[in-house]
Amino acid sequence: AQTVTQSQPEMSVQEAETVTLSCTYDTSESDYYLFWYKQPPSRQMILVIRQEAYKQQNATENRFSVNFQKAAKSFSLKISDSQLGDAAMYFCAYRSALGNQFYFGTGTSLTVIP
Amino acid sequence: DSGVTQTPKHLITATGQRVTLRCSPRSGDLSVYWYQQSLDQGLQFLIQYYNGEERAKGNILERFSAQQFPDLHSELNLSSLELGDSALYFCASSGRDLNTEAFFGQGTRLTVV
Repeated sequence: AQTVTQSQPEMSVQEAETVTLSCTYDTSESDYYLFWYKQPPSRQMILVIRQEAYKQQNATENRFSVNFQKAAKSFSLKISDSQLGDAAMYFCAYRSALGNQFYFGTGTSLTVIP
Repeated sequence: DSGVTQTPKHLITATGQRVTLRCSPRSGDLSVYWYQQSLDQGLQFLIQYYNGEERAKGNILERFSAQQFPDLHSELNLSSLELGDSALYFCASSGRDLNTEAFFGQGTRLTVV
């Protein structure tokens, strides 16, 4: 089974600064999809951004962007101009192109300091 | 609104009891996933159904069972409840296209007393 590793249980960032959350995964597949989810205190799971493995261009959604390194099996999330509302738990997820199952990391708790 | 509906939102029950959690996926989604999230923990995958059939099974206890009905809604049955079963239970659904994300419901918060 694929594994997803988030090695930073907690991170903090000053408001308006930039922070990068790390995610690595283990797979033998060449085609797959990667996602970052945000879970604020409300506990709702919200999709932040997604990346198709066959695309070399890194995905970007407003202040959120990824650094996808396929050879290194790395998928980090960069949050620019951090806002108080970005404070949440962030989960990295992997989805195989062959099957439907999603594999989630253990999460990184992000604190934004005013 | 993700389009995934979970009921009830909150549930308080006593140890030894049995409860049923219900999930209605987004319209057209064939896959339903169940996850358990204990306090300050990650998402533990329980089970996945695709168009009525079990597709994958994770760390689901024998006291737990699930099914997906012909109308694609799913139910997660938890029996002989223990204090440690207190958690947030999420249902998610995804579409036919493999490049789509999982859409999550708001979860059912189960408290076993």
